[in-house]
Amino acid sequence: DAGITQSPRHKVTETGTPVTLRCHQTENHRYMYWYRQDPGHGLRLIHYSYGVKDTDKGEVSDGYSVSRSKTEDFLLTLESATSSQTSVYFCAISGTGPFYEQYFGPGTRLTVT
Amino acid sequence: LAKTTQPISMDSYEGQEVNITCSHNNIATNDYITWYQQFPSQGPRFIIQGYKTKVTNEVASLFIPADRKSSTLSLPRVSLSDTAVYYCLVGEANYGGSQGNLIFGKGTKLSVKP
Repeated sequence: DAGITQSPRHKVTETGTPVTLRCHQTENHRYMYWYRQDPGHGLRLIHYSYGVKDTDKGEVSDGYSVSRSKTEDFLLTLESATSSQTSVYFCAISGTGPFYEQYFGPGTRLTVT
Repeated sequence: LAKTTQPISMDSYEGQEVNITCSHNNIATNDYITWYQQFPSQGPRFIIQGYKTKVTNEVASLFIPADRKSSTLSLPRVSLSDTAVYYCLVGEANYGGSQGNLIFGKGTKLSVKP
């Protein structure tokens, strides 16, 4: 399995509080992604990164920000968490090349009360 | 960006061959077709990828007709452990630079019964 870890794995927080989720990889892959998964919606891309300090928005980026100061770490921040951001968050990585293979982390279950 | 359409669910029995079709009418010239498998409480796992004709690996086969407007994932002789959600993803190969939006869709929930 690809070396991807996510922390924390579970978190419960209150509405209005800031939350940061961390994705760490040991594969030295260029691309990193944050997805959220909700019942009935499948996986939706929040933000992605194509290099250190290079990030871009995905399909559902409102209310989220990201940062990548090192190749191995990709942080997802909810500046002021809302109940609609209760979800399972997955990080993924992929290398460069003519293929689209992504490796996913174990996920973080976030509950905003 | 090419969107995909898959059946929401499918049922099968152990030992049968299962074919899941994905429709992607607006596929672009540079797009590849990729399938992922996801078990409950886990992240998706790459199964197979192709551009045209047929691709086969130890897990599955992928059939892509000449017009590339659809693709079929074929799972030979499924077992109970193949019960999962299967996602079809269409997107441009990442040759460098920005990725653009990556859309997984809602997937097909395959239930394999004994």
